[in-house]
Amino acid sequence: GAVVSQHPSRVICKSGTSVKIECRSLDFQATTMFWYRQFPKKSLMLMATSNEGSKATYEQGVEKDKFLINHASLTLSTLTVTSAHPEDSSFYICSASPRGSGNYNEQFFGPGTRLTVL
Amino acid sequence: AQSVAQPEDQVNVAEGNPLTVKCTYSVSGNPYLFWYVQYPNRGLQFLLKYITGDNLVKGSYGFEAEFNKSQTSFHLKKPSALVSDSALYFCAVRDRFSGGYNKLIFGAGTRLAVHP
Repeated sequence: GAVVSQHPSRVICKSGTSVKIECRSLDFQATTMFWYRQFPKKSLMLMATSNEGSKATYEQGVEKDKFLINHASLTLSTLTVTSAHPEDSSFYICSASPRGSGNYNEQFFGPGTRLTVL
Repeated sequence: AQSVAQPEDQVNVAEGNPLTVKCTYSVSGNPYLFWYVQYPNRGLQFLLKYITGDNLVKGSYGFEAEFNKSQTSFHLKKPSALVSDSALYFCAVRDRFSGGYNKLIFGAGTRLAVHP
């Protein structure tokens, strides 16, 4: 149980284009999903907290117009990198907390999406 | 400020030997602590957590961690390392000020290398 998927696993795009990454909780409902960015050999940087049916909460320094987050349902959140540039190249990871899990349950992570912007 | 420290960038262990990956934390009140493992080009996998109760927590793949309140530590341990344990390990603590959002604060990660 508690499986989170991401699609695509890998994407290469041209500079200036937009890329959408999907995060799905496959066997549970997730009120809250999180989007992280990970640089090579570095820790995870939380970008935003996504709540179903409401606007995402972005961490300081993360451009909300650049990284659009939509949490359309209890099993799906999407991250769209708009007008991507080479510096946006990174490993993007989502995670989800099960609905009603309280404040002490672990997050369940997706396998990540490797974005390369040429 | 809340924080998690993993003082070692890398830990090298011979297969069959015990391993320890260190983690210390700084939070007010009682911490909720987690260990995750990441294999190359993959997401994070949950290993174990401490919420309350017994200070020795047992988790997946034979790992365990000991919560030490006086030393504010939560070191990850395994009695006998396997080459397949080689990966990146993250310690995390729940952000007490994230309301109901269950946000985590991650350490910088420790790369474990187990040599045959």
